[in-house]
Parts: sequence; C-alpha cells; structure tokens
Amino acid sequence: AQTVTQSQPEMSVQEAETVTLSCTYDTSESDYYLFWYKQPPSRQMILVIRQEAYKQQNATENRFSVNFQKAAKSFSLKISDSQLGDAAMYFCAVGSQGNLIFGKGTKLSVKP
Amino acid sequence: DVKVTQSSRYLVKRTGEKVFLECVQDMDHENMFWYRQDPGLGLRLIYFSYDVKMKEKGDIPEGYSVSREKKERFSLILESASTNQTSMYLCASNTWTGKNQPQHFGDGTRLSIL
Repeated sequence: AQTVTQSQPEMSVQEAETVTLSCTYDTSESDYYLFWYKQPPSRQMILVIRQEAYKQQNATENRFSVNFQKAAKSFSLKISDSQLGDAAMYFCAVGSQGNLIFGKGTKLSVKP
Repeated sequence: DVKVTQSSRYLVKRTGEKVFLECVQDMDHENMFWYRQDPGLGLRLIYFSYDVKMKEKGDIPEGYSVSREKKERFSLILESASTNQTSMYLCASNTWTGKNQPQHFGDGTRLSIL
C-alpha cells in the first residue's frame, strides 16, 4: 500500500519570497513516480512538476523545484519568487502502474 | 493539449435519484479515473478503468458504479444518491507507456444531494 502525508494544511508566503511545501510518502513499489499538482480556487487541477524515483537529480520547472530525498521518502516542493497566481491547493502524489495516491493537500496563500 | 471534459460543472439532485456523471477525454488514453474530493481529505479514488469495459474498484467504491463502453468516455453512476455523496467529483485520464504518465484532470463536477 502507498500513503502520502502532507503535514502542513495551510501555508502562507509573501509575494516574491520562497516557500517550501512538505510531503512524505511510503511505498513498497520499487519503480514509482512523484508529482506535485496545483488546484487554483474553482479551477482545474494541473501538473506542476514530476520526479522519477530512479533519478537522483531533483526536477526543476522554472520557479518550481523539488528536494527529493529517496532514503527519507521525502518530496518537498520549493516555490521561488512567489507570485499571487501561485495561491492554490497543492497536492503531492505518488504513482506506479498508472495510478496515483494523493496527499490531503496544502493550501498556499500569497500575501501582496 | 489533453482535454478532459466533465458534462456538468454544478449538479443538484434529490436523495434516492440515480445520478450520472459523464467524462470524455480526447487523447486516446487507456486509463480513466474517478475521484471524490472533500475538504481535509484530499482526493480519494472511487473507480478506475484500464480499458473499454474494464473497471477496478478504488478506495471508496461503495454506493457508486461505473461504465466504460467507449475508450473516450467514462461514466460514474450513483445508484441511489444520498446526502453523504455531496462532494466535488474529478475525472482524470492518462496513458501507460511503461512510465507513469501524469494524470490530466477535468474541471470537476460539484454535486449537491438534497
């Protein structure tokens, strides 16, 4: 069985600052993938960033990067230069064989 | 771009009604999923399908059924709606290429059962 834990139900960041969202997971799979999804208020869930567990190098997508610690089963998301449009629910997910297990989400607020 | 379309953005039904939620994807994806999203609980998988006419139970299948008669369409059915099924329902699809491809989501259907 796979589990995903996001320990921060809510986070807040000042515009232009950096924030890190935490995620830990547990899985018995040897080949798995990790994802961060963003869900803005009343809008569609979209993929932010993806990490393949067999890759040691941390994934980066523009202002978004991950800190993947495989031994610790930790997969945190760092958002640099935060913008008002980053305000959303963020979900961490672990997947294998096409399925995903989601965490309960972190609500990120961005203060102007 | 992948397009996942859910038939209704908002839906209000009465207790005991049979409710159909429809989802269509346009990318020829093999896999389709139905999730339920509730505050503080995240996304919970109801059912998923790997192929036409195939279905697998997720974590919370009770009170729901699904239908996949065509590859692009995946329907969620509430056999006899109850108030505890009031929720946001999300449909998603992806393809399996030996690597876990990301799931693409629809806009969601906010369902209220009165």
